[in-house]
Amino acid sequence: EAGVAQSPRYKIIEKRQSVAFWCNPISGHATLYWYQQILGQGPKLLIQFQNNGVVDDSQLPKDRFSAERLKGVDSTLKIQPAKLEDSAVYLCASSFSEGYYGYTFGSGTRLTVV
Amino acid sequence: RKEVEQDPGPFNVPEGATVAFNCTYSNSASQSFFWYRQDCRKEPKLLMSVYSSGNEDGRFTAQLNRASQYISLLIRDSKLSDSATYLCVVRTGNTGKLIFGQGTTLQVKP
Repeated sequence: EAGVAQSPRYKIIEKRQSVAFWCNPISGHATLYWYQQILGQGPKLLIQFQNNGVVDDSQLPKDRFSAERLKGVDSTLKIQPAKLEDSAVYLCASSFSEGYYGYTFGSGTRLTVV
Repeated sequence: RKEVEQDPGPFNVPEGATVAFNCTYSNSASQSFFWYRQDCRKEPKLLMSVYSSGNEDGRFTAQLNRASQYISLLIRDSKLSDSATYLCVVRTGNTGKLIFGQGTTLQVKP
């Protein structure tokens, strides 16, 4: 089975610029998650989708971050404008069971804001 | 208080040693528990689920104490390849989101 696909792998931008990340989950997985992992910390959930609906976005900084999953399959996460503290790895994960058996993560996008 | 707390380490152990990691969680209504492994600059990968009765997978043993809200991972006969960060993870809430601890770093030395 193909894994969770993410792109790009790396991105370097200047502060105040915008950036977008893309994720394609494992086929058939209805639940999709975006996590932010800052160096030295565990992943932190930003947003959770069930099909194309948002289930939890309580920790998403909505003044600058947005995410969508229009057709219930792939998803994009956008940051506009970026701040230095947004430098992190952005991980996408998917699950068929709402996390009962854990998630499968993509390889992540490493963002550096300079 | 953090929802999932772990000692970040690092734990430096010789090959062949037995090492144990502990984790506590704050939400007594948490439903599922996991240990994930994360290699340097890689994504987290599921190592094992943790069941109330305790479970074993080869050299790895996981234990859950719901009364104390405590999870443990024991690694026996450590290998160099076990060097990684081990993340304690708890599934909680109606939405089933996974909450990750900070991770515990293990370095196994020859």
